[in-house]
Amino acid sequence: AQRVTQPEKLLSVFKGAPVELKCNYSYSGSPELFWYVQYSRQRLQLLLRHISRESIKGFTADLNKGETSFHLKKPFAQEEDSAMYYCALRNSGYSTLTFGKGTMLLVSP
Amino acid sequence: NAGVTQTPKFQVLKTGQSMTLQCAQDMNHEYMSWYRQDPGMGLRLIHYSVGAGITDQGEVPNGYNVSRSTTEDFPLRLLSAAPSQTSVYFCASSRQGTAEAFFGQGTRLTVV
Repeated sequence: AQRVTQPEKLLSVFKGAPVELKCNYSYSGSPELFWYVQYSRQRLQLLLRHISRESIKGFTADLNKGETSFHLKKPFAQEEDSAMYYCALRNSGYSTLTFGKGTMLLVSP
Repeated sequence: NAGVTQTPKFQVLKTGQSMTLQCAQDMNHEYMSWYRQDPGMGLRLIHYSVGAGITDQGEVPNGYNVSRSTTEDFPLRLLSAAPSQTSVYFCASSRQGTAEAFFGQGTRLTVV
């Protein structure tokens, strides 16, 4: 069965520090992975998808098939980055998602 | 530019009561899904639909019913609410062939 693992429930950093939110997946086949972000009491919104290889709000994520990882990185964290981040994997053959349990990022001044 | 709209935003139910969470989208997306969000559990798929008249179960379907009579609407029904159904419910839509999901603002449900 496919699975997404986010090992950290909470990641606390200071403003300007580098950030790496970890995501590992279990999937047989070619995965399609996403990062979603949820700011306080707001709806989830798409941050990144691996197929587009883009950088949004300074965040990047690279798919590493050898390590089955899709870690989210930002070189210099900002206070407005504080939010819940979810890694998600497309369910095989469907347009639905399997989510990790999420990592809360807190950026302190 | 509404996107995905959920009503109500908040609801308190007594155990055993029934209710329907409404979800509507105006993007003509084929796929619609319901997820529940619980602390420490992430989001889990309840039910989904690939088009009008077609629904299927997700990871945690027990206690919930859905129907899809139109492309735009995908209501979620709780037939007999239980405290274990206290959660935040998110509706999402996506275009067939892609899993990029657009989410509603959520319904915070408390069952007492």
